[in-house]
Amino acid sequence: DAGVIQSPRHEVTEMGQEVTLRCKPISGHDYLFWYRQTMMRGLELLIYFNNNVPIDDSGMPEDRFSAKMPNASFSTLKIQPSEPRDSAVYFCASSSRDGYSSGANVLTFGAGSRLTVL
Amino acid sequence: AQSVTQLGSHVSVSEGALVLLRCNYSSSVPPYLFWYVQYPNQGLQLLLKYTTGATLVKGINGFEAEFKKSETSFHLTKPSAHMSDAAEYFCAVSSLFGNEKLTFGTGTRLTIIP
Repeated sequence: DAGVIQSPRHEVTEMGQEVTLRCKPISGHDYLFWYRQTMMRGLELLIYFNNNVPIDDSGMPEDRFSAKMPNASFSTLKIQPSEPRDSAVYFCASSSRDGYSSGANVLTFGAGSRLTVL
Repeated sequence: AQSVTQLGSHVSVSEGALVLLRCNYSSSVPPYLFWYVQYPNQGLQLLLKYTTGATLVKGINGFEAEFKKSETSFHLTKPSAHMSDAAEYFCAVSSLFGNEKLTFGTGTRLTIIP
């Protein structure tokens, strides 16, 4: 398997523009997570899905952020309008319910999308 | 609520010396504990995990960690540091209850001195 695939790897945009980040999870994984990493706040869980259904979006900063998972192999995180404080690395991670054999959820991360908002 | 505290945002050790990265957790239920490593410009990779059973767990690249319930700790160690160990290390906690979510620590950047 190619692992979790994220695109774009780097995005530079201007304040006010719409940004869409994409993620392809590992085939067969039924959980998908979006994290944001900044120097100031570390790794923050934004939202996660189970079987394409959003389970917990309490980490989404505000209404400018939205995430969708239209099918098991694709998810998007959208920021509209973007602001400079949204600059961060956004990670997607996926996991499989099979990992629950030990009761633990082992996440596989993508390489991340580095967003810079000017 | 669960939380993780990593003591020391930066740790430097000489090549060949012992690596010790500290992690303390807070959890009202039996925890599941993880260490992840992040190399520059890459995503996080699982080093090792503790769920149940043996409290000393071994991971990849010669790392190991010991779960100590009495100390609420899960420190990461490696007997002899290698230059390739330079990276950022994250401790994380989840649990059997609500265990889909991992709560991460703030990370420790490990520098290896030649």
